[in-house]
Amino acid sequence: DTAVSQTPKYLVTQMGNDKSIKCEQNLGHDTMYWYKQDSKKFLKIMFSYNNKELIINETVPNRFSPKSPDKAHLNLHINSLELGDSAVYFCASSQSFGGSEQYFGPGTRLTVT
Amino acid sequence: AQKVTQAQTEISVVEKEDVTLDCVYETRDTTYYLFWYKQPPSGELVFLIRRNSFDEQNEISGRYSWNFQKSTSSFNFTITASQVVDSAVYFCALSDNYGQNFVFGPGTRLSVLP
Repeated sequence: DTAVSQTPKYLVTQMGNDKSIKCEQNLGHDTMYWYKQDSKKFLKIMFSYNNKELIINETVPNRFSPKSPDKAHLNLHINSLELGDSAVYFCASSQSFGGSEQYFGPGTRLTVT
Repeated sequence: AQKVTQAQTEISVVEKEDVTLDCVYETRDTTYYLFWYKQPPSGELVFLIRRNSFDEQNEISGRYSWNFQKSTSSFNFTITASQVVDSAVYFCALSDNYGQNFVFGPGTRLSVLP
């Protein structure tokens, strides 16, 4: 069984479109995250979500919005896609907030043309 | 603000050599956590180890070992008798006690040549 899964694995879309990436974890973890990894491999946290408490990295444009229908899911919705949004997006989960190791999904490679 | 530095951008070694990946961190917290992750060419991120700031005991897991030194704010990772399968990007990361600041270093790309 896959612990943290993401769909789709690849996403190619045009500028200006709206898209969503889905994430599910079956580890029973309380906390989920979204990360962006750019072409130079830099990993940057975008959001962390724990018991309906959302912490947003202030550098993330408000075109990005996480949506959590339940504890096992944290989807990422992106409005008005821009070329600079092209990256690999990773979902992760951890047992709790603060200090717990995170387990990552396989990543979604987003290409905006 | 928290910061993680991995000064070695890329390292190349020949199989069976030992290699140490450096990690230096900055934090004002007294309670914090350090991590290492591996990202092989296939792209997934694999958790390797977690250490809290009160546990300076070094750890060994097979060919992997970690040296945590608070005095120098370092958490270095050594691979003994490296293998081609060790080729990957390795990330060091730092978290505060509240999970509100989780920072990855820039990564070190390790290439192990046959």
